[in-house]
Amino acid sequence: QVQLQESGPGLVKPSETLSLTCTVSGYSISSGYYWGWIRQPPGKGLEWIGSIYHSGSTYYNPSLKSRVTISVDTSKNQFSLKLSSVTAADTAVYYCAREIRWYYMDVWGKGTTVTVSS
Amino acid sequence: NFMLTQPHSVSESPGKTVTISCTRSSGSIASNYVQWYQQRPGSSPTTVIYEDNQRPSGVPDRFSGSIDSSSNSASLTISGLKTEDEADYYCQSYDSSNLVFGGGTKLTVL
Repeated sequence: QVQLQESGPGLVKPSETLSLTCTVSGYSISSGYYWGWIRQPPGKGLEWIGSIYHSGSTYYNPSLKSRVTISVDTSKNQFSLKLSSVTAADTAVYYCAREIRWYYMDVWGKGTTVTVSS
Repeated sequence: NFMLTQPHSVSESPGKTVTISCTRSSGSIASNYVQWYQQRPGSSPTTVIYEDNQRPSGVPDRFSGSIDSSSNSASLTISGLKTEDEADYYCQSYDSSNLVFGGGTKLTVL
């Protein structure tokens, strides 16, 4: 059974870089599929951040593209998110997900809450 | 870029049928598949419909999806409503380089 688990700091200071990692178990990232990040601000809806193919090619939300980097480490079966120059508007629950097609998330992590505050 | 617009909330009684709409602002709804996700309070989203009208294994056939090119919208229909269906529902679609979620619809089963 495929499982995804997000990890990283729960508190980030404004203007700093948010860094999260998603560890995948039960499936080898190098076998295929896209792997994505989605966030949900408190009380609000879902926002796609970006996706990475197992080979390393990426797609980013145009509204976040200048601040986002997604990378993959197949040796650790992990993929990561970096979001730079964060503000309070970046406070959210961050989910990682497997994208069985790049446009369709079939397995989600439980999510991790990140608060941006000084 | 395009947007997906959903009603903020809908409510219906147990046993009844409810339909949630999702209207695409630009570009044809039929050009790119639509997915629907269910999110119960405090939980991660799960897929109830993918590729317009396909149900993942384990999703009951009370859930169905469709698209209507005339209104440029997609719909999620849930029949035989159960209290456990009470949740937020999000539609989602994409274009060549962007993946978009609707704003979500809160379904109340009362």
